[in-house]
Amino acid sequence: AQSVAQPEDQVNVAEGNPLTVKCTYSVSGNPYLFWYVQYPNRGLQFLLKYITGDNLVKGSYGFEAEFNKSQTSFHLKKPSALVSDSALYFCAVVRRGSYIPTFGRGTSLIVHP
Amino acid sequence: EAQVTQNPRYLITVTGKKLTVTCSQNMNHEYMSWYRQDPGLGLRQIYYSMNVEVTDKGDVPEGYKVSRKEKRNFPLILESPSPNQTSLYFCASSLAGDSSRNTGELFFGEGSRLTVL
Repeated sequence: AQSVAQPEDQVNVAEGNPLTVKCTYSVSGNPYLFWYVQYPNRGLQFLLKYITGDNLVKGSYGFEAEFNKSQTSFHLKKPSALVSDSALYFCAVVRRGSYIPTFGRGTSLIVHP
Repeated sequence: EAQVTQNPRYLITVTGKKLTVTCSQNMNHEYMSWYRQDPGLGLRQIYYSMNVEVTDKGDVPEGYKVSRKEKRNFPLILESPSPNQTSLYFCASSLAGDSSRNTGELFFGEGSRLTVL
């Protein structure tokens, strides 16, 4: 079985400060790892993914994520938060060969002006 | 434009009145799936389909049906809706199969907000 944990329901950060949204996972083998973002009244949008190679993955809107195999984590980061980054963020894991993702419960990111 | 289209986007209905939420994708994806999103519960998978005529239950299939007669369409059917099916529903699709192109990235529709009175 595979599982994803997003330990924080909500993350608050001031505009201009760095942000981190945490994700840990449990799955056998070497999974694919994803971050999706959901803006209000919209569907989820792909943000970035880790497949293989460099542990630091860069994605859309200045976001990046760091894969840490020993800690089974895939934390989402951004050096300088914007108010427009306020949204719901979902981490997801896919076991290679299964094609079926497991999602975390989501973390609400609130960036204060 | 590559997209997943759901209809209707908003629907208010009454208990027991059958309804169908349609989902169509134009990316020739094999894999399609339905999720419901509820506050505090995140995304829960209802049903998924690996290809035409191949469907399987997700985590919360009770009260729902699906069909996959064509590759592009994956309708969600509520035969006798109940108030506990009031939710925000998402359809999603991705490539499947043993291909280097397939990394499991999902494309989501804009959502269908259903209220059952």
